[in-house]
Amino acid sequence: ETGVTQSPTHLIKTRGQQVTLRCSSQSGHNTVSWYQQALGQGPQFIFQYYREEENGRGNFPPRFSGLQFPNYSSELNVNALELDDSALYLCASSWRTSGRRTKTGELFFGEGSRLTVL
Amino acid sequence: KQEVTQIPAALSVPEGENLVLNCSFTDSAIYNLQWFRQDPGKGLTSLLLIQSSQREQTSGRLNASLDKSSGRSTLYIAASQPGDSATYLCAVLSYNNNDMRFGAGTRLTVKP
Repeated sequence: ETGVTQSPTHLIKTRGQQVTLRCSSQSGHNTVSWYQQALGQGPQFIFQYYREEENGRGNFPPRFSGLQFPNYSSELNVNALELDDSALYLCASSWRTSGRRTKTGELFFGEGSRLTVL
Repeated sequence: KQEVTQIPAALSVPEGENLVLNCSFTDSAIYNLQWFRQDPGKGLTSLLLIQSSQREQTSGRLNASLDKSSGRSTLYIAASQPGDSATYLCAVLSYNNNDMRFGAGTRLTVKP
């Protein structure tokens, strides 16, 4: 069984640039969630993707966007980077059964992508 | 809006001691609660998942309990070891959204 993998592990960008982070979900999982974790804090929910559609979003501006692909992998894109975007970005995968009222089960996280904005 | 609090923020204990980490949440309408471990600069490792209908879960030396009515969960670690040193995070998933809310974590140090 393959776990959640994220790339790149570390990257440095300057203000105003754009970044794309990638995540491969654990085999058998169909839902991907993205989180931002600032130093010394708990992770903050960015958004979740299920069946290639955004399925819930936290308090993040539109310059944070994402995609989910047919193989359930996902991308997080951040445009117009700001200094405060420096953080550890975590991807989590889970399984969700079909149905309007179902929710995801146990979350499994990758090792994260450490973004530094200068 | 669900708020999750973890107390204490940091804890240092001698090896072999039993310890309890606390997690409280403000909205009792939860779907599940999950405890994680995070080593410095690393991702989160799932320890235990408790569904809203359950009162506790056990895995090895770890036992997590859930009391929805009081908005509390505890993680009990028996016979602590230096390898248990890490930050422990609890997270709550509510019924009305897909936003898993995390506490800020408890940083545990187990001294040999």
